Amino acid sequence: SQQGEEDPQALSIQEGENATMNCSYKTSINNLQWYRQNSGRGLVHLILIRSNEREKHSGRLRVTLDTSKKSSSLLITASRAADTASYFCATDNGSGYSTLTFGKGTMLLVSP
Amino acid sequence: EPEVTQTPSHQVTQMGQEVILRCVPISNHLYFYWYRQILGQKVEFLVSFYNNEISEKSEIFDDQFSVERPDGSNFTLKIRSTKLEDSAMYFCASSIMMGDPYFGPGTRLTVT
Repeated sequence: SQQGEEDPQALSIQEGENATMNCSYKTSINNLQWYRQNSGRGLVHLILIRSNEREKHSGRLRVTLDTSKKSSSLLITASRAADTASYFCATDNGSGYSTLTFGKGTMLLVSP
Repeated sequence: EPEVTQTPSHQVTQMGQEVILRCVPISNHLYFYWYRQILGQKVEFLVSFYNNEISEKSEIFDDQFSVERPDGSNFTLKIRSTKLEDSAMYFCASSIMMGDPYFGPGTRLTVT
C-alpha cells in the first residue's frame, strides 16, 4: 500500500471547466499539502491543510480533507491553459521532521 | 519573496564519478531536506537535516550519499560514486519549522 495516491492519473478538460483531483492516504497525518509541477520543472507549493481542518480556499483552489476517509480533494475552478501541470498531494505524518510522502500525481491538461 | 536556489540546474556526469549538488535554503529556515524524482516517478524523500545533523533518512540514502552544511548558508548533497540509476531530478527544500517546506527548482542529474 502506498501513501498519497492521486486519482485520476490524467485529466483533460476545457478552459473554464472545473478540475477535481483526489488523493487517498493510508496512515494518520499531521497535514496534507498539494503541489504543482510543470513538466520537468520544480515543485510549487499550492496549499497546506492541517489534520484538524476540513476545507481551505486559496484563490481558485479549494482543498478538502476527510480524515475519517483518509482522503483529500483539490478543486481548481474556472481552469486556464496555464493550469496545465502535474498535481501532487504530499502527506506529513508528523514524524517530527516534516518529511513528506508524495503520490504519483495527476496530470492535468487544460485545452484552450 | 525568498526562495530556495539550487545549482547547477543540470549536471551530467559519468558513472563512478562524484557529484555535489548545491542548495541555498531560505536564510531563516532551520530544517533542510533533499528529495529526488526519477523521471516519470514519484518524488521521494532522501534525507532531512536539522541542527547540523541528519534527523531522518530513507532507505535510498545509503553510504554513497552524504549531506553537509559547510558554511551556514549552503546545503550540499554528495553522491560519491554515481550509478546510472542515480539519474533523477534532485530537489532541495527548507522550512522554518516543521511543516510546509519550500522546494527549490531542482537539479537534473544525468549519469551516463
